Amino acid sequence: EVQLLESGGGLVQPGGSLRLSCAASGFTFNNYAMSWVRQAPGKGLEWVSAISGSSDSSYFADSVRGRFTISRDNSKNTLYLQIISLRAEDTAVYYCAKDIGGLRGFDYWGQGTLVTVSS
Amino acid sequence: QSVLTQPPSASGTPGQRVTISCSGSSSNIGSHTVNWYQQLPGTAPKLLIYSNNQRPSGVPDRFSGSKSGTSASLAISGLQSEDEADYYCAAWDGSLNGWVFGGGTKLTVL
Repeated sequence: EVQLLESGGGLVQPGGSLRLSCAASGFTFNNYAMSWVRQAPGKGLEWVSAISGSSDSSYFADSVRGRFTISRDNSKNTLYLQIISLRAEDTAVYYCAKDIGGLRGFDYWGQGTLVTVSS
Repeated sequence: QSVLTQPPSASGTPGQRVTISCSGSSSNIGSHTVNWYQQLPGTAPKLLIYSNNQRPSGVPDRFSGSKSGTSASLAISGLQSEDEADYYCAAWDGSLNGWVFGGGTKLTVL
């Protein structure tokens, strides 16, 4: 059974930093690209970043480029999202999602971790 | 402002058929496949349709997807109360080099 378990969210002051983790199980992790998708309170889904299975390619939404870094440790089956210079508008539930492959979508999602940016 | 455009709301009565549209451009829907997600209140999104019209195992055949040009649609037939949820379309955008989502459609079963 595929499982994705996010952690690392919490309350952070504006300008602060955070590292989110997503522990994956139930599939061959290094065979699949992974993404982070966020959802601000009461708002829609916003894709944030993606990374290829071998980490040779990464992609970012314009809204986060330069402040977010995506990485993965295939030996630990874990995906990461490092966030710096946090802003109030980064407040959201952050989901990790497994790519089906071939740019066809995300077949599994984690339960999400809430990041709140407030003083 | 979302790159893909969906109506903010839709509604229907039990047993009815409803459709939700998703409009994009040549760089996303026009050149890549569309997927649809269902998000029940307080839960993570769930894949409903991928590759324009394919259903993952476990998704009822009441749900169907289609694509034409730079637009796509999700159809739900035999509407049930449990279908009340938010629905999102998504596609890869070759110009932005990233995934784009629609703003979401809140489906109400009357």
